[in-house]
Amino acid sequence: AQKITQTQPGMFVQEKEAVTLDCTYDTSDPSYGLFWYKQPSSGEMIFLIYQGSYDQQNATEGRYSLNFQKARKSANLVISASQLGDSAMYFCAMRPFGNEKLTFGTGTRLTIIP
Amino acid sequence: NAGVTQTPKFQVLKTGQSMTLQCAQDMNHEYMSWYRQDPGMGLRLIHYSVGAGITDQGEVPNGYNVSRSTTEDFPLRLLSAAPSQTSVYFCASSPQGRPNSPLHFGNGTRLTVT
Repeated sequence: AQKITQTQPGMFVQEKEAVTLDCTYDTSDPSYGLFWYKQPSSGEMIFLIYQGSYDQQNATEGRYSLNFQKARKSANLVISASQLGDSAMYFCAMRPFGNEKLTFGTGTRLTIIP
Repeated sequence: NAGVTQTPKFQVLKTGQSMTLQCAQDMNHEYMSWYRQDPGMGLRLIHYSVGAGITDQGEVPNGYNVSRSTTEDFPLRLLSAAPSQTSVYFCASSPQGRPNSPLHFGNGTRLTVT
């Protein structure tokens, strides 16, 4: 079974600063994918970024990057130059290759302060 | 592009009533799933399906039934609603066999059981 741990229930960050949201995971599967989703106050789930366990480089998508440390089983999301619109819940999730079931962490509520 | 469509958006039930949450996707995805989201608990998998005629239980299946008669539709049935089923429900889909493909979510159904 997979387990995702997000230890920061809430974070407050000044606008324009960078922010790191922590995610650690536990799995016995050798191949897996890691995902981050954003959930604004309107409630929809928005896919942000993906990292495969065998990817040699850390994933990046615009202002989002993933600090992937496989040996430590961590996949932290980094948001550069935060904006007020980044205020939302953020979920880390993973699934093993060959299994479509996605397991989620409990989320981090990020609040950007002007 | 409709994507994943969930109906209704809001529902209030009395204890013991039954209802069906509808979910339809137009992306020809083989995999479909239902999650519930509760404060502090992230998203938990209720049931999932890897194709028409195939369903299986997730992490929290008790009190819910599903069926998958077509690729497009994956309804979730509450047979006898209980206050513990008050939650936000998400339907999600993805193609099979593509590890880097994220789950596509519907906009959610907010259910209150009194």
